[in-house]
Amino acid sequence: AQKVTQAQTEISVVEKEDVTLDCVYETRDTTYYLFWYKQPPSGELVFLIRRNSFDEQNEISGRYSWNFQKSTSSFNFTITASQVVDSAVYFCALRSGYSTLTFGKGTMLLVSP
Amino acid sequence: DGGITQSPKYLFRKEGQNVTLSCEQNLNHDAMYWYRQDPGQGLRLIYYSQIVNDFQKGDIAEGYSVSREKKESFPLTVTSAQKNPTAFYLCASRFRLAGGEDEQFFGPGTRLTVL
Repeated sequence: AQKVTQAQTEISVVEKEDVTLDCVYETRDTTYYLFWYKQPPSGELVFLIRRNSFDEQNEISGRYSWNFQKSTSSFNFTITASQVVDSAVYFCALRSGYSTLTFGKGTMLLVSP
Repeated sequence: DGGITQSPKYLFRKEGQNVTLSCEQNLNHDAMYWYRQDPGQGLRLIYYSQIVNDFQKGDIAEGYSVSREKKESFPLTVTSAQKNPTAFYLCASRFRLAGGEDEQFFGPGTRLTVL
């Protein structure tokens, strides 16, 4: 069985603050994929990143960065200098083997001006 | 424009009525999925289909039915047997990249309210 835990239900920050969204996963498979999705108020899920289990390099894309640590089964997401447009629900997800995607319950990020 | 279309955006039904949610994709993806989202619950898988004329139950299939007669279409019927049908429903499709990795794209969702 696979499981994704996003312990932070809601985070509130002021614009320009840095914020980290935590994601802890469980799987018995050695090959797996981790994902982050953003869900703005409109409802549609927007793909942000995919990382496979053999690639532990951290990734940076503009103000977004991801820290993948197999030793702690974590795949955390950091937004640097947050903006109001970053306000959304963020989902971490896991797929291993031939299974389907398992989502965490999401973290709602509120960025105020 | 390639993408996934779900219609309508908002849907209202009376209790006891069956209702069918539409999902169409023109991305030529083989696999399609239906998820249900409730506040604070994340996304839960209802049904999925890897190929035409084949589909499998997800984690919460009871009270739902699907069909996959065409590659482009994967409609979801919410039956009167579904005890708590009011929710946000998301459809997704998936393609496989080289090396076994793949990516799942989501539609805009349908918010169903049963009165």
